[in-house]
Amino acid sequence: AQSVTQLDSQVPVFEEAPVELRCNYSSSVSVYLFWYVQYPNQGLQLLLKYLSGSTLVESINGFEAEFNKSQTSFHLRKPSVHISDTAEYFCAVRGTYKYIFGTGTRLKVLA
Amino acid sequence: EAGVVQSPRYKIIEKKQPVAFWCNPISGHNTLYWYRQNLGQGPELLIRYENEEAVDDSQLPKDRFSAERLKGVDSTLKIQPAELGDSAVYLCASSSPRTDTQYFGPGTRLTVL
Repeated sequence: AQSVTQLDSQVPVFEEAPVELRCNYSSSVSVYLFWYVQYPNQGLQLLLKYLSGSTLVESINGFEAEFNKSQTSFHLRKPSVHISDTAEYFCAVRGTYKYIFGTGTRLKVLA
Repeated sequence: EAGVVQSPRYKIIEKKQPVAFWCNPISGHNTLYWYRQNLGQGPELLIRYENEEAVDDSQLPKDRFSAERLKGVDSTLKIQPAELGDSAVYLCASSSPRTDTQYFGPGTRLTVL
């Protein structure tokens, strides 16, 4: 069985500051890892994913995440956030077939 | 390419009434998922289809929930009768073996009064 833990329910950060949203997982099998973003009243949008290969993955809007197998983590980072990054961020893990989502982290970017 | 389409976007009903949600996945995606997302929580899987076959419905409350995907394309999720605790956002997602990634629709926000 797999599980996902997002320890931070809310993260406030000032505009242009760096941010890290934490995600830890547990699994007895090899996994794929995902970060999704959800804006108010919308569905989840894929931000980035790790399937195999390079452990550092990047999105088109400046986010990156690094798969760390020894620490079972997949933290999301951005060196400089914008107001438009304000949203809910979900980490997800997929084992054999099933996707398991974390409880989400609400990123609030302050002017 | 067109994304996952869901309708309606919003639905308000009284308890004990029936309700149905519709989903059309991305063309060519043979796997379809229905999730329920409660306020402040991540999505929780209700049912997963591979083509027209429900391969994982272990989390579907079968006394009141039902789903179908008759031709292996679009799908309907039904609740009958609805209860107050069913208020949530119902999300549909689809994927294909080629992408190994789920893509979500905008969801249906259900309010049961």
